[in-house]
Amino acid sequence: AQKVTQAQTEISVVEKEDVTLDCVYETRDTTYYLFWYKQPPSGELVFLIRRNSFDEQNEISGRYSWNFQKSTSSFNFTITASQVVDSAVYFCALSDGSNQAGTALIFGKGTTLSVSS
Amino acid sequence: DSGVTQTPKHLITATGQRVTLRCSPRSGDLSVYWYQQSLDQGLQFLIQYYNGEERAKGNILERFSAQQFPDLHSELNLSSLELGDSALYFCASSPQRGHYEQYFGPGTRLTVT
Repeated sequence: AQKVTQAQTEISVVEKEDVTLDCVYETRDTTYYLFWYKQPPSGELVFLIRRNSFDEQNEISGRYSWNFQKSTSSFNFTITASQVVDSAVYFCALSDGSNQAGTALIFGKGTTLSVSS
Repeated sequence: DSGVTQTPKHLITATGQRVTLRCSPRSGDLSVYWYQQSLDQGLQFLIQYYNGEERAKGNILERFSAQQFPDLHSELNLSSLELGDSALYFCASSPQRGHYEQYFGPGTRLTVT
């Protein structure tokens, strides 16, 4: 069965600290896709990254970086030098098409990140 | 701005009523997904349409139905509303049938009183 676990419910940091959001997934498929989304206080869901199971290269985009490790079924997200604008709920999601949900996203419960100045 | 539009932004209605939520996908996107976000259930997939046809179903109640029209906009119909249906309903679109990133609309917040 598909499952995404974000064990950290809430994280609080002070500006300029680095912070890592953990994501552990479960799937029986060898082909699957992982995503991160950001939900700021305004409520919309903003796409951050998509990674397929064949590409284990880490990715960096500005202050954001992602570490994908198939051996531990993890897809962790690090924000370097956090800023107040990073305060949001972050969701990790999985899509593998192994069940009737097809290409739909299976979301974790989310991690609420609060960055104070 | 994701390019996905949803109306209305807020909806307040009474138990037993029926409502329709509307979604316009990004220009050129053929796939539309509906998700429900509630405090107890989190973000859950409801249903997907691709180019007018239903493609996948998730945890969608029988009281809920959806359709996608020839111009690719989609509507989610919720009937016999209960207090527990109060939630944020998102529509998302993606260009094709594969496992591509989905772009979400701003959501419709439904409050059932």
